[in-house]
Amino acid sequence: EIVMTQSPATLSVSPGERATLSCRASQSVSSNLAWYQQKPGQAPRLLIYGASTRATGIPARFSGSGSGTEFTLTISSLQSEDFAVYYCQQYNNWPPRTFGQGTKVEIK
Amino acid sequence: EVQLVESGGGLVKPGGSLRLSCAASGFTFSSYSMNWVRQAPGKGLEWVSSISSSSSYIYYADSVKGRFTISRDNAKNSLYLQMNSLRAEDTAVYYCARDAPVVPAAPIDYWGQGTLVTVSS
Repeated sequence: EIVMTQSPATLSVSPGERATLSCRASQSVSSNLAWYQQKPGQAPRLLIYGASTRATGIPARFSGSGSGTEFTLTISSLQSEDFAVYYCQQYNNWPPRTFGQGTKVEIK
Repeated sequence: EVQLVESGGGLVKPGGSLRLSCAASGFTFSSYSMNWVRQAPGKGLEWVSSISSSSSYIYYADSVKGRFTISRDNAKNSLYLQMNSLRAEDTAVYYCARDAPVVPAAPIDYWGQGTLVTVSS
């Protein structure tokens, strides 16, 4: 089973600042890595797939990078609606499809 | 507009059974692989099971293998999860989720709002 590890667990950022979230895989997942955003009481929403492709309707301030075992989600200028929990997930080698434990982005 | 609406959740005693349903609309259901993903209260996301478009391929997480059964009815645009021998650790919100139309490897692109399953005596 591929283990996905996200860091940090919590990120405190001021509105307008840049946020950088990390995700590491225990073995290579090529570029088969997705990022999801989840707000309280809501279902997750797909932000990024293929490590760097934005999903339909996702603002350009969200960008993804990386391949193999190291991945990054960057939010260039945090808006109030971006404060949420973010999960990475690998879909390269499954079952099981594995998620990271999440990074909570909170207001500083 | 893609819509996934789960139903069937509720309170059940340990050892009991429950059947979840997911009604899909806004896309050609029979062309997509589908999934169940769960989230325990205050915890992260856990993949539970996947089924291919024609039910040819079915996969389960080790934590539910032998107890849960995923199925679908393409004529009714519906996905199901039969859950038997339920345990307290199965308590979670269960999401129905669609695979993106991407090959050869597809992420999950749409999620329902979830249905809460509580296993408690």
